[in-house]
Amino acid sequence: ETGVTQSPTHLIKTRGQQVTLRCSSQSGHNTVSWYQQALGQGPQFIFQYYREEENGRGNFPPRFSGLQFPNYSSELNVNALELDDSALYLCASSLGGSGNTIYFGEGSWLTVV
Amino acid sequence: GESVGLHLPTLSVQEGDNSIINCAYSNSASDYFIWYKQESGKGPQFIIDIRSNMDKRQGQRVTVLLNKTVKHLSLQIAATQPGDSAVYFCAENISGNEKLTFGTGTRLTIIP
Repeated sequence: ETGVTQSPTHLIKTRGQQVTLRCSSQSGHNTVSWYQQALGQGPQFIFQYYREEENGRGNFPPRFSGLQFPNYSSELNVNALELDDSALYLCASSLGGSGNTIYFGEGSWLTVV
Repeated sequence: GESVGLHLPTLSVQEGDNSIINCAYSNSASDYFIWYKQESGKGPQFIIDIRSNMDKRQGQRVTVLLNKTVKHLSLQIAATQPGDSAVYFCAENISGNEKLTFGTGTRLTIIP
């Protein structure tokens, strides 16, 4: 087990709705990243949070936003859901600094109908 | 731009044989590489990593080889077992940026 926990594990939303996904990082890890993994593809970087500040963002529109809390847990929020947002959303945590192992949670499966 | 690709999307290996999964990367600035294993319905599981100042690293039943000259990475799994069936991803990283760039993955199937 990686110590990275995500919730919910599965959810179904309607197009246009909003969703919040949650992640608890491994104990002591101050860096959390979010990835989107479409079926049959590799994970795509959404953004990273380091000590409660956004620290890098991938090619995702502003309706993808996030938060990191003082305990380093994190949320991913997606507004105005589109059908193409259906994917596995992965949270990854690490200790800040290059070359430190990055551990993933089991993900949250989002289906937009 | 940045990209990580895999030579083969699927690989079938007889149980007990060795498996070799290959990966090409295009960003010469990448200096940290990781292999992940992803089983159906689960998140990526860290297998082994290697930094660009090394060309080989061994773990338990796994070896990663890095050839910076041709920007090639490989994962060797010794004595493949049924539990090794999964999709394997290589990912690259640039120091100071913890963003990982993944390829599309190779599905490894073990033949009993």
